[in-house]
Amino acid sequence: AIQVTQSPSSLSASIGDRVTITCRTSQDFTSDLAWFQQQPGQAPKLLIYETSNRQGGVPSRFSGSRSGTDFTLTISSLQPVDFATYYCLQDHNYPPTFGQGTKLEIK
Amino acid sequence: EVLLVESGGALVQPGGSLKLSCVASGLNFNTSAMHWVRQAPGKGLEWVGRIRSRPNNYATAHGPSVKGRFTISRDDSKSTVYLQMNSLKIEDSAFYYCTGSLMAYWGRGTLVTVYS
Repeated sequence: AIQVTQSPSSLSASIGDRVTITCRTSQDFTSDLAWFQQQPGQAPKLLIYETSNRQGGVPSRFSGSRSGTDFTLTISSLQPVDFATYYCLQDHNYPPTFGQGTKLEIK
Repeated sequence: EVLLVESGGALVQPGGSLKLSCVASGLNFNTSAMHWVRQAPGKGLEWVGRIRSRPNNYATAHGPSVKGRFTISRDDSKSTVYLQMNSLKIEDSAFYYCTGSLMAYWGRGTLVTVYS
C-alpha cells in the first residue's frame, strides 16, 4: 500500500498569506492525487483532482502541483472561508489512502 | 442539483450488524462508481470501499480494516448504494459518508456508534 505523509498537521496563518501543504507518497506517480477541504461539521469538498486540476467552482487561489513524490496544495492569498482542515488522497493504488490532515487556523 | 442522502446509522453492540443506504439524485448514478468513506469523531478520513458501475461489472473493493466484514452493493433502479456491516467493532464507530462521481459529490453522513 502507498503511504501518504501529510505536513504540517496544523498551520497558523493570516488573511492574505500564501500557504502550502504537502503530501509525500511512498511511491512515485504523476496523477491520481486529490485535495479536499473540510469545514467543521460538514462533509469534505473536492478542491483539486489529478494533482493539479481545479474542481468546478473552486477559486483560482487554490492550486496543486507535484515534484517527484511531493504533492503540494497552495493557497495563494488566504481568505476567511479558507480556514478549515485539508486532506490529500491518493488513489493510484489499492487501497486509496488519505493524508492525516492539516488544520489551517487563523493567526 | 446533486444530492446524496445517507441513512441507517444507529447505536449497535460489538458483533452486531447494520446496513447503511445512500440514495442519489441529480447524478448519472448508473455510470458512477460510488465510494464509502468514514470519519471517527475528531479524526481523519478513511476510505472504506467502492463499487463500480455496471459497464465495469459492479466490481467492488474494500479497505483492509473492513475487508471480510463489510460489503458494498448497489441497486441502479433505486439509485441507491448500500454498505452492509457485519461483526462490528468499537473502532468502526464513525460518520459514514457516501461519495460519487470521482468524489466530487458527498452526502452529509450518517453516524454509526458501536458500544459495549
